[in-house]
Amino acid sequence: GDSVTQMEGPVTLSEEAFLTINCTYTATGYPSLFWYVQYPGEGLQLLLKATKADDKGSNKGFEATYRKETTSFHLEKGSVQVSDSAVYFCALIHTGNQFYFGTGTSLTVIP
Amino acid sequence: DTEVTQTPKHLVMGMTNKKSLKCEQHMGHRAMYWYKQKAKKPPELMFVYSYEKLSINESVPSRFSPECPNSSLLNLHLHALQPEDSALYLCASSQGDRGGAIQYFGAGTRLSVL
Repeated sequence: GDSVTQMEGPVTLSEEAFLTINCTYTATGYPSLFWYVQYPGEGLQLLLKATKADDKGSNKGFEATYRKETTSFHLEKGSVQVSDSAVYFCALIHTGNQFYFGTGTSLTVIP
Repeated sequence: DTEVTQTPKHLVMGMTNKKSLKCEQHMGHRAMYWYKQKAKKPPELMFVYSYEKLSINESVPSRFSPECPNSSLLNLHLHALQPEDSALYLCASSQGDRGGAIQYFGAGTRLSVL
C-alpha cells in the first residue's frame, strides 16, 4: 500500500543554517506529494506541493523536488529563521481522497 | 479565501457529557474530513464526506458520530467519550474526491476528556 517515510526528529538548527528534511514514499503510479507545516497550537498549513515527476514546489524559501527515480520529496531551505520552528509533515495522495502522512519532523531554530 | 473554521477551539468534557464539534468552509469544496491528532503524531483519518455522503469511516467507535447537514458544514457529535479520546480534532476540506486535491485544514478543536 501507499506510505510515506520521513526523517526522524527532532532537528535543532541555528538561525541561518541550511535545512534538509528527508521524505521518501511508496506508491504505484504517480501520486501527488505535499509538505504541510504545523505551528504550535495550530492546524496544518499547506507549505508546498508537486503533482508530477521533476516538479519543484516552493514557498516561503522552502523547496522540494519530486524525484520519481528515488521516490523522494526532500524539503530544503537555504537559511532558516526562528519563525520556521514547527512540525513538518510529508504527505502523499494518490487515487481517491485519502492522505498518507509521514510521522512528522519537529524543527527548532535557535537564535 | 482558503479558510476552514472550527469551533470551539478548546473543549473540556466529562465522560457522560454530550457535545458537538463544528466545522465550516465556504470554498465550495465537496469533500470534508475529520482527523484525530495526538501529541507529536501525524493526523489520523476518522471520516470522509464526499458530496454530503459518508464515504469513509476508518473503524471509528460509535461514540463519535459525524453529520454533514449541507455542503458547507460538518459536525462531529461526541457522547460517552473516554480519557484516551483527548486529542486535537482537525477538520479539512478539498475540492472533491479526485486524486491530488489539496486538503485545507482548520485550526482544530483541542478536546480534553476528564
